[in-house]
Amino acid sequence: DAMVIQNPRYQVTQFGKPVTLSCSQTLNHNVMYWYQQKSSQAPKLLFHYYDKDFNNEADTPDNFQSRRPNTSFCFLDIRSPGLGDAAMYLCATSSPGISNQPQHFGDGTRLSIL
Amino acid sequence: QKEVEQDPGPLSVPEGAIVSLNCTYSNSAFQYFMWYRQYSRKGPELLMYTYSSGNKEDGRFTAQVDKSSKYISLFIRDSQPSDSATYLCAMTFTGFQKLVFGTGTRLLVSP
Repeated sequence: DAMVIQNPRYQVTQFGKPVTLSCSQTLNHNVMYWYQQKSSQAPKLLFHYYDKDFNNEADTPDNFQSRRPNTSFCFLDIRSPGLGDAAMYLCATSSPGISNQPQHFGDGTRLSIL
Repeated sequence: QKEVEQDPGPLSVPEGAIVSLNCTYSNSAFQYFMWYRQYSRKGPELLMYTYSSGNKEDGRFTAQVDKSSKYISLFIRDSQPSDSATYLCAMTFTGFQKLVFGTGTRLLVSP
């Protein structure tokens, strides 16, 4: 039973053409995260939402934006993808606080840039 | 110096061996420690998580945390070819707000 669902699994876009990746969750977790993972590297946090509060990492390029229209969905927008943005993009959720649940990841979207 | 150090491997073992995977860290404020398993082209899957020091066992997997040495370990007993994957350690302060990952150790278990 998939709990963090990412679509599409594979995305190909052209250099400079905007692209949107989506994530949905059935866990009702209040925190959602976006990570970028390049080959043989650890996931790198781009930003996260705690409920509706958006938290950007200091070194996340302006080219990356995010939207969270409701608890279940979160989107990653890359406004003008460059060749260096080719990577796996991972969505994760967690529920800090009383339940203190650790982060659960989706299977990712692998983004290729032509 | 990275906050979390992890040997990238690959670590190759025969089926049935006991595997030891390790991470060291520099920030003594870390309180929660996790191990994720990541198969090729899949997302990280949570295997174990522990709070503060001590041991935790789940089936063939045992996680150990030694905060005095800033050292964590994951042991896999009776390793299987299906255990072949990359194992990522991760840690955080409180509330699971931001994970700091190791670079991952690639494990290969041969039949």
